[in-house]
Amino acid sequence: EPEVTQTPSHQVTQMGQEVILRCVPISNHLYFYWYRQILGQKVEFLVSFYNNEISEKSEIFDDQFSVERPDGSNFTLKIRSTKLEDSAMYFCASSENGPQHFGDGTRLSIL
Amino acid sequence: GEDVEQSLFLSVREGDSSVINCTYTDSSSTYLYWYKQEPGAGLQLLTYIFSNMDMKQDQRLTVLLNKKDKHLSLRIADTQTGDSAIYFCAERRGDSSASKIIFGSGTRLSIRP
Repeated sequence: EPEVTQTPSHQVTQMGQEVILRCVPISNHLYFYWYRQILGQKVEFLVSFYNNEISEKSEIFDDQFSVERPDGSNFTLKIRSTKLEDSAMYFCASSENGPQHFGDGTRLSIL
Repeated sequence: GEDVEQSLFLSVREGDSSVINCTYTDSSSTYLYWYKQEPGAGLQLLTYIFSNMDMKQDQRLTVLLNKKDKHLSLRIADTQTGDSAIYFCAERRGDSSASKIIFGSGTRLSIRP
């Protein structure tokens, strides 16, 4: 069964550094999303992306964040200058035109 | 409010049925979902229901939707040890495929022998 894949599974970064989280959505899907889950808290929506542009974003998704689909298969989330509070599990998801399918997540630890 | 609410814990005996309940807030939600998260793993889509349905059955899983009360439930028949996980109720907030999903806090299901 096709699945969303995310790399790396765990990323450790110094505060202030840039980090790029990578996702390969399911191949025929057209809608892409990023969510995050801070330890012990709910899964929160960050951004959705369709037709090479952002469709919707949350208050969390400020100027430090950006998304890109650099080629036909990858979908990336960049955090420009990481803060301690960016430590979380980041989930990528994709959909064709219905339910969203999630990857296993990248655990981002900011030191 | 914005919240999707569900109880935090449920403990059932192996072989019994589990019923996980959820309330949501947006009457215009078009999709309602149940996701399963096992320890250290991602969010696995278990099942979903359109808002114009009131029931959906898929093998051991039954989803009931009461749109008037904004209440969603997931019943797992013949619960097995492999069903131990956190179960998230979620609603799609908006009628576009690009719309965000709002998640509940998750219900941790534990199975007693």
